[in-house]
Amino acid sequence: GQQLNQNPQSMFIQEGEDVSMNCTSSSIFNTWLWYKQDPGEGPVLLIALYKAGELTSNGRLTAQFGITRKDSFLNISASIPSDVGIYFCAGLTNTGNQFYFGTGTSLTVIP
Amino acid sequence: SAVISQKPSRDICQRGTSLTIQCQVDSQVTMMFWYRQQPGQSLTLIATANQGSEATYESGFVIDKFPISRPNLTFSTLTVSNLSPEDSSIYLCSVRRGGLNTEAFFGQGTRLTVV
Repeated sequence: GQQLNQNPQSMFIQEGEDVSMNCTSSSIFNTWLWYKQDPGEGPVLLIALYKAGELTSNGRLTAQFGITRKDSFLNISASIPSDVGIYFCAGLTNTGNQFYFGTGTSLTVIP
Repeated sequence: SAVISQKPSRDICQRGTSLTIQCQVDSQVTMMFWYRQQPGQSLTLIATANQGSEATYESGFVIDKFPISRPNLTFSTLTVSNLSPEDSSIYLCSVRRGGLNTEAFFGQGTRLTVV
């Protein structure tokens, strides 16, 4: 299957700091989704991207669909303790039926 | 978005037994999927649950081990058979909204521990 690599694997930041993470693939995707997963819960959709170069915000979260269509980025501004969790990217190819998931970025926010 | 309810939310099972997980969606959906998430890992697709026909399994997953039912457009079950400790994972039901701008939504997951 497709391999989506997320970086960094984990982050420890101070409350109030900004966060950046990315997701890269060897394949071209037509759709990128970003999810947050809390312990014991299923992933919750944060942002959906459908066009190369697209920049979309959801509150303090901003995600971008890379120009090459092989990558995507998620930024969180002014982090707060409830941002703690694991963030996953997911991509869908033009011909694919399933979303492929990234390896995840674990975020810890230190108050 | 879609509201997806999974049951049970967690279970502890003896090896050799089976667990059936139910997934109920609040609206009709064309595409339903079952994922496995092993401890500390990402999500891996087990199969696509097809309404009215056999599920489509991904490489490494077989029907005998993971039988799936999809009797209608709002409900599906996944059974994990002949359990072993290696089956201890979170199992997630997902639905995908169709159309040009598609999204995927997840249930809260079922945490299975095999002892």
